[in-house]
Amino acid sequence: QQPVQSPQAVILREGEDAVINCSSSKALYSVHWYRQKHGEAPVFLMILLKGGEQKGHEKISASFNEKKQQSSLYLTASQLSYSGTYFCGTPTGGGNKLTFGTGTQLKVEL
Amino acid sequence: GAGVSQSPSNKVTEKGKDVELRCDPISGHTALYWYRQSLGQGLEFLIYFQGNSAPDKSGLPSDRFSAERTGGSVSTLTIQRTQQEDSAVYLCASSRPYRAENSPLHFGNGTRLTVT
Repeated sequence: QQPVQSPQAVILREGEDAVINCSSSKALYSVHWYRQKHGEAPVFLMILLKGGEQKGHEKISASFNEKKQQSSLYLTASQLSYSGTYFCGTPTGGGNKLTFGTGTQLKVEL
Repeated sequence: GAGVSQSPSNKVTEKGKDVELRCDPISGHTALYWYRQSLGQGLEFLIYFQGNSAPDKSGLPSDRFSAERTGGSVSTLTIQRTQQEDSAVYLCASSRPYRAENSPLHFGNGTRLTVT
């Protein structure tokens, strides 16, 4: 039931782009994305609702394909501050809680 | 106002002792969640509150774990007879409406529990 993220880890040079994928075995009605820096709490980035694509947060955007039960997070022109672990979260338990994905560690280097 | 507040930030306890972890959610947030994060791992759901009731306790690992919420605000997670495998960061989150589908979760900084 836990969403699967890919890749598990990625290293970028500053200015490069990256895509993080989140796949679920169950039907999705929305997908959340969070970023957690080392030793800190996860921070909300965006929610994607069924049929929608939301842009938010720096140069980070995402897409949501409910038919494929997938969401992708796009990071363009990455900055050092983008480093951290990215988690997707999908509503489960009747939509009352979030089940988080396996996480993707992103490191941006000079 | 202020964000989600958790205390203590760090707790070291001996195996077999009981511990209480506290969470102060954002004012007005009706939903409150507890998650656990073991070293280098993901976010494991423990329990969810809507107001003072807990409709979903499915993630509590054993009957040594319990949680309550009073006044629709502060929540306490209690672990009895702690074991070494309980060592982790315990994260609390709150959100305004009660459905997680379309409501961002706001996390506290967590309590790092170490059982020796």
